[in-house]
Amino acid sequence: SQQGEEDPQALSIQEGENATMNCSYKTSINNLQWYRQNSGRGLVHLILIRSNEREKHSGRLRVTLDTSKKSSSLLITASRAADTASYFCATEMNTDKLIFGTGTRLQVFP
Amino acid sequence: DTEVTQTPKHLVMGMTNKKSLKCEQHMGHRAMYWYKQKAKKPPELMFVYSYEKLSINESVPSRFSPECPNSSLLNLHLHALQPEDSALYLCASSLDGNYGYTFGSGTRLTVV
Repeated sequence: SQQGEEDPQALSIQEGENATMNCSYKTSINNLQWYRQNSGRGLVHLILIRSNEREKHSGRLRVTLDTSKKSSSLLITASRAADTASYFCATEMNTDKLIFGTGTRLQVFP
Repeated sequence: DTEVTQTPKHLVMGMTNKKSLKCEQHMGHRAMYWYKQKAKKPPELMFVYSYEKLSINESVPSRFSPECPNSSLLNLHLHALQPEDSALYLCASSLDGNYGYTFGSGTRLTVV
């Protein structure tokens, strides 16, 4: 089952620019998480935001959550070539049930 | 140790074979998961174990059989698979709902 949809599906930017990815989901959640995946291997957890939080920061990452619109956004500031990867939002609706969105493929050109 | 270790990294098996995927974590995490990911698609949840008990089975065909022998180890037994089962199989673990999941690097399975 798929809970979230992300847009854009693909994003190409130059190094130094900001990248914004959006995620929409369908049902009430406990928390929303963002993950990065390089070259189809394991996923790396980036940030978790709880349903009662509106904004969270971690280094160059900023995540917002709007539960009334059932949407979230991930902002990566001052992008680097090493940020090139697929980014997924994932929602935890019930305990231990983490469902991934469709993903955004980010390409950062040097 | 802050890793989830999956073996093997690659596996090619025939449709009549029986094989197993292994996943190990030593972080004291309570829950462990199996996900399946096809190319250019998001991971799909298959099974969840919590405190070594199967808590979620997302209607996975019986040719996939999970096993949790202890709190650190998770296996996925494979039998009579189909070519469409070829995918990246990801294992993950988590402590609780306040932290994210830790994923292994996956087993790339090809069924011939």
